Order: sequence, then structure tokens, then C-alpha cells
Amino acid sequence: EPEVTQTPSHQVTQMGQEVILRCVPISNHLYFYWYRQILGQKVEFLVSFYNNEISEKSEIFDDQFSVERPDGSNFTLKIRSTKLEDSAMYFCASRKRQDTNYGYTFGSGTRLTVV
Amino acid sequence: KQEVTQIPAALSVPEGENLVLNCSFTDSAIYNLQWFRQDPGKGLTSLLLIQSSQREQTSGRLNASLDKSSGRSTLYIAASQPGDSATYLCAVRPSRGSTLGRLYFGRGTQLTVWP
Repeated sequence: EPEVTQTPSHQVTQMGQEVILRCVPISNHLYFYWYRQILGQKVEFLVSFYNNEISEKSEIFDDQFSVERPDGSNFTLKIRSTKLEDSAMYFCASRKRQDTNYGYTFGSGTRLTVV
Repeated sequence: KQEVTQIPAALSVPEGENLVLNCSFTDSAIYNLQWFRQDPGKGLTSLLLIQSSQREQTSGRLNASLDKSSGRSTLYIAASQPGDSATYLCAVRPSRGSTLGRLYFGRGTQLTVWP
């Protein structure tokens, strides 16, 4: 069964450093998302991406965050200057179509630890 | 804003029991509802997707029902097994506002099935 692949599985970074989280969505999917889950809290939406541009972003997704689909296969989330509170599990997800018959497929996540 | 609540927060049962996990949401204007399974430190695995026009969906020992007008869904697990131990998350996709395509998650029910 097709999978959403995320790398790395775990990243430790120093506060103030830039990090890039990588995702390879399912090849025929058109809609791409990032979500995050702080330990013990709900999974929360960050951003959606379609047709090479951001469709929607949450209040969490401030100027420190950016997304890119540089080569038609990878989908990346960049955090420019990490803070301690950015420590979380980050999930990439993709969806085939806007049609409501299609659900989301999530990747296995990247655990980001900011020290 | 859509709020999703899941009860109970945790459940510990002996193997073989039939279980009911509950999910409620505050805004009944949804396209669909998706149940996920999350193993510790891992990603989200989709279990069932119910469209707003459907009453239930079944997959193996899992059955999910949806009562959109009352804002409720239940996940029924028949003949539970230790391998079912995980956190079960409910997520809704709203059908109005600027949040098309965005999922709202509950905190999950942490299930432990002991032999």
C-alpha cells in the first residue's frame, strides 16, 4: 500500500537553529499538509498546500515557518529559528483529491527536539 | 470553531471484551469523520472514514457509526486483542468556513488490552 515517507524520524537541534523536515507524499496525491502534536496534546493543523501554493495556514504557522515542494516529489517544512516550544512530533499528510470520499494518509512523523 | 472531544481518555480491559470509544464534535457541518490509530511514538494509521451521509462503516472487527445531527461518532471494537492496544483518534473535516480540508482532532482514547 502506498505510504507517505518522512525523514528524519528524529531530529535534535539547538535553539535558534534552522531545521528542514522532509516528506515524500504519495505520488498521485494533490493535497499536502503538515500537522504537529506536542507531547500529550491534540494533533493540530499547521498548513495545507495545493498547486504549489499555501491554501490555508493556522495561527501557529507564523513567519518562522515555510513550506516548499521543490522538485515535484518532496514536500518540506522549514523552521527558521527554532524555539523550545517547537519541540513536537511533526506529521506530513497527503490526500488524493478534494472529493470527500478520500481521506488523509499520514506519515510516521518526525520527532523534533529543540534543546 | 470546531471542538472534538473523546471519552474515555483511557481504557484498560481484558482480552476478548467488546469496546465502545466515543467521539463528539460541536459543529455538525462536516464532510466526513476519520478514525485513526496511533502507536506510541508513531504515525497515524487510518482505520475508517465515514462520509456525512453515511451512518456506519465496517472493517473487520471495527465498526464506526456517525450521528451527524447530534455530533457523535462511536468506534466499536469487537473481541479485543492485546494487539489493539494503542491510542485511537477521531478527526472531523468541516464543510464550511475557511477550513476546508483541515482536520480537527480529539485528544484520543488510550486503549490497553491485557491478556
